[in-house]
Amino acid sequence: SQQGEEDPQALSIQEGENATMNCSYKTSINNLQWYRQNSGRGLVHLILIRSNEREKHSGRLRVTLDTSKKSSSLLITASRAADTASYFCATGNTGFQKLVFGTGTRLLVSP
Amino acid sequence: DVKVTQSSRYLVKRTGEKVFLECVQDMDHENMFWYRQDPGLGLRLIYFSYDVKMKEKGDIPEGYSVSREKKERFSLILESASTNQTSMYLCASRSHQGTGELFFGEGSRLTVL
Repeated sequence: SQQGEEDPQALSIQEGENATMNCSYKTSINNLQWYRQNSGRGLVHLILIRSNEREKHSGRLRVTLDTSKKSSSLLITASRAADTASYFCATGNTGFQKLVFGTGTRLLVSP
Repeated sequence: DVKVTQSSRYLVKRTGEKVFLECVQDMDHENMFWYRQDPGLGLRLIYFSYDVKMKEKGDIPEGYSVSREKKERFSLILESASTNQTSMYLCASRSHQGTGELFFGEGSRLTVL
């Protein structure tokens, strides 16, 4: 069962620009996580935001969570070519968390 | 440095063959997971394990089985491979006491001919 859906499916920007990706989900969550995947590789955890948090920062990453709208956004500021990857949101429920992943946003950052 | 190692990055098998995908983690994590990833479908959970010898079905367990005889190792088994099991398989682990963050292996790309 897919929980999260990312929007847009693909995003193409220039280096230095900001990239914003959105995630919508369907049911109540305990936390929401963002992961990054370089082509053909495994996923790497970026950031986790709990349901009682509204915003979180980590370096050039800023994540927001709106539980009333069941949505989250990931902002990458001052993007670099090395940020080119697919980005996935994943939601965890209470109790044992089987993370449920969205379909991802493919980000292309051109030099 | 924490590590999840998947035994094979690329495999090519024939329809009907039995396939073993091995995953080993060195972080003493209780929880381990197998996902498959297909274009347009994202990651889908096949099986997971709370702890040694414990296993639970995920969202798409049909055609798969798993084994967790030791804490560090979680194996995915395709009893009789079929072409629709051609996919990228991703193993992940997580501490039972952790934040919920998953640590992933590099993936195993399986092609069934």
